[in-house]
This record gives sequence, structure tokens and C-alpha cells, in this order.
Amino acid sequence: DTEVTQTPKHLVMGMTNKKSLKCEQHMGHRAMYWYKQKAKKPPELMFVYSYEKLSINESVPSRFSPECPNSSLLNLHLHALQPEDSALYLCASSRKTGSGNTEAFFGQGTRLTVV
Amino acid sequence: AQSVTQPDIHITVSEGASLELRCNYSYGATPYLFWYVQSPGQGLQLLLKYFSGDTLVQGIKGFEAEFKRSQSSFNLRKPSVHWSDAAEYFCAVAPGQGGSEKLVFGKGTKLTVNP
Repeated sequence: DTEVTQTPKHLVMGMTNKKSLKCEQHMGHRAMYWYKQKAKKPPELMFVYSYEKLSINESVPSRFSPECPNSSLLNLHLHALQPEDSALYLCASSRKTGSGNTEAFFGQGTRLTVV
Repeated sequence: AQSVTQPDIHITVSEGASLELRCNYSYGATPYLFWYVQSPGQGLQLLLKYFSGDTLVQGIKGFEAEFKRSQSSFNLRKPSVHWSDAAEYFCAVAPGQGGSEKLVFGKGTKLTVNP
């Protein structure tokens, strides 16, 4: 099983709403990622969790708040977003080895629209 | 800093023709190299990867790629393209052993397949 599951697939939210994106994997991967992808652009790294601890934050605004409750789950909490935050949000995971990480497996993404 | 260059923004081929997508990277040591494919509105699917060893790697869907250290290249090839191969293709680089967890993407190449 090489599946990363993201919910919801689509989300429309107002600028005053609070919502959460969810990501789940059961491959035993201990590195998990959030990426943001705008139309016709490559994915941009937002956060990396390694062994359930935040290891990389790519200077993401605080209106995005990640959480890793356990080794299988990754959440992205959203609050007071702006229309320019509308994008495809991708979750990914990879296996950690003694010398680094293996390939990343991506979910299908959540298409977020901020109105 | 690492960088990945995909020189071709858009490539059009006829169904049944051969395909080569170019990828050049800039990194001090031998990185881990990947090709991903993305259909519209979907997540990224891993086509193939190179970590070490044989420089010609086989992937899914009949794709292969060759790592050329002297040219810092990792070009993707397919001998006969199918209409279903139409998609966006991303080359990506990650640090090799002991490196960080950041995956750096090229800007992507959009493939159009004519009947």
C-alpha cells in the first residue's frame, strides 16, 4: 500500500472561517510534508515533520498551523486565510533511513478556494 | 543551493513517437533524483527514482531515465508515447545521504500528445 489519503478533496472557505485539512498514511513513514501548489507551478514546500516533530517551516504565515498528532496523521489548520491562499494543498510522506529519506509519496491533494 | 532546471516548458509529440524530457540539476554531491507525473487537478505520482548504482533506471508506465554525472542530467525517456501520457512532468532533487529533507522541484514540462 503506497497510499496517502487527503480529506477533503475540495474545500471552499470564507476569510473568517477556521478549517482543517487532513492527511493519513499507513506505510510506516516517519517523515510527512505539506506542500502548496498554485496553478501551472511546481509544489512549494511548507512544512516537514520528522518523527512527529516539526523539522522545517519554510517561513509560512501563522494563519497556517500544522499538527502531527501521531505517526500516521498530519493536519493543517487554517484560519483567517486570504484569497491568494487558494491553491492545491498536497500532503506527502517518506520513509526515513539511517542516512536520509527515501522517495516521497503524495496524496491527491485538497483543492482550497478562499472567498 | 540546490536547483533543478527543466528547459522545456511545453512539449508536443504524436502518439507512438518517442519522448525525451530534459532535467539538469545543480548540487555539490550526487543527489537523489526523481521524476513525478501530475494529471490536471491530481496529486503527484512517482515515475522513477535514482539513488545510486546503475545509472539507467526503469520506472512505471514504460518510462526510463538515465543519470549522467558529467552532465548533471537526469533525462526521462519513453520509446512510444500513449495519449494517456499527456500530463505535467516534474523532475525533483533531494540531498543524498545525510542531507536535509527538502525536495526541490523543477518548474515542470507539460506534455501534449497529438492523435
